[in-house]
Amino acid sequence: DSGVTQTPKHLITATGQRVTLRCSPRSGDLSVYWYQQSLDQGLQFLIQYYNGEERAKGNILERFSAQQFPDLHSELNLSSLELGDSALYFCASSVAWLAGGNEQFFGPGTRLTVL
Amino acid sequence: AQKITQTQPGMFVQEKEAVTLDCTYDTSDQSYGLFWYKQPSSGEMIFLIYQGSYDEQNATEGRYSLNFQKARKSANLVISASQLGDSAMYFCAMRENTGFQKLVFGTGTRLLVSP
Repeated sequence: DSGVTQTPKHLITATGQRVTLRCSPRSGDLSVYWYQQSLDQGLQFLIQYYNGEERAKGNILERFSAQQFPDLHSELNLSSLELGDSALYFCASSVAWLAGGNEQFFGPGTRLTVL
Repeated sequence: AQKITQTQPGMFVQEKEAVTLDCTYDTSDQSYGLFWYKQPSSGEMIFLIYQGSYDEQNATEGRYSLNFQKARKSANLVISASQLGDSAMYFCAMRENTGFQKLVFGTGTRLLVSP
């Protein structure tokens, strides 16, 4: 158990819908990262937050947004869902936001299926 | 730009044997970190081992060791005394230390350990 929690574990929805994925980082970790793992794109970095502020953006679609709340949990919002958004979405956390040897610990993931 | 290459889509090894999973990387940074993660069929990403670019000694964690050859830009994972529970996908990842902490992942190697 990495200490990172993600809910829900599975999510099945229809095209055009909107969903929210939730992540709670390890106790003491201020940085949260979101990754998407799909069959065609592999594991890709989406976005990073540190202590409530966005710090880095990767290949995140405009239909996707995220935020980190004062209690440090984070939510990833996916809207106007398409079939191609079906993937495993991981949240990871680490202590800091600038590199320095801190490994990222991953949550169990949320498997999103868009029908 | 960072790039991770894992050229072995699949590897087979017998129980109790050692196996090496290959990883090469490309970066223009002098300071970076290299990681290996294990992803069992259940889907979670499990951190295995970390090597910093300035670390002079190869990293070891139990049965895992990282064969780091900086001049060749390779960071191979060696698993000694393979166990059936080692059957999983293995991902090599890199993080440049000059910026944010996003991880760039390779495509993974599926390891199958046979009795």
